[in-house]
Amino acid sequence: DTEVTQTPKHLVMGMTNKKSLKCEQHMGHRAMYWYKQKAKKPPELMFVYSYEKLSINESVPSRFSPECPNSSLLNLHLHALQPEDSALYLCASSQFGTSGGQMGNTQYFGPGTRLTVL
Amino acid sequence: DQQVKQNSPSLSVQEGRISILNCDYTNSMFDYFLWYKKYPAEGPTFLISISSIKDKNEDGRFTVFLNKSAKHLSLHIVPSQPGDSAVYFCAASAWGQNFVFGPGTRLSVLP
Repeated sequence: DTEVTQTPKHLVMGMTNKKSLKCEQHMGHRAMYWYKQKAKKPPELMFVYSYEKLSINESVPSRFSPECPNSSLLNLHLHALQPEDSALYLCASSQFGTSGGQMGNTQYFGPGTRLTVL
Repeated sequence: DQQVKQNSPSLSVQEGRISILNCDYTNSMFDYFLWYKKYPAEGPTFLISISSIKDKNEDGRFTVFLNKSAKHLSLHIVPSQPGDSAVYFCAASAWGQNFVFGPGTRLSVLP
């Protein structure tokens, strides 16, 4: 089973709203990732959690706030977003994270949340 | 500076024929390479990977070839099927580093 689930599938929010994206995996993976993908572009890494600790923050604005309540769950809290933040937000997990061996680095992606900011 | 390049934005192939998708990289420290397939509005699906100690890896209809001296890898799909129509991303990583994705190639398999 290589399933990563994400909720909601679609989200429309105003610039003053606060919302959260949720990601879950039950593969026992110890690293989880948030990516942002704009149309016709590759995924861009935002955050990496390794063993439930934030290990990488790719200079993401503070209006995006990640949280890893446990090894299976990853949230992305959104506040005061801008229209240009509209994108597909992807969650991924891998067995060992960036410090793992090569096969442990394979990332498995969820279906994504399509976010529209009005 | 694009470390992973996929110079063909799109490719059209007849059903039943071979599809060859290409990827070039510049970072000689990369030691693990992957191909992902992506349908619109879905997350990327892992297809196949190859370690830098190998030059070929095969899984069913999918074969990845790695030419380290040329810093080039390719994905062969044989035979191509209409369901293979998607965007294909090449990704690479170096030990202890995160993935770098290429810009993607849109494959269309024509019936």
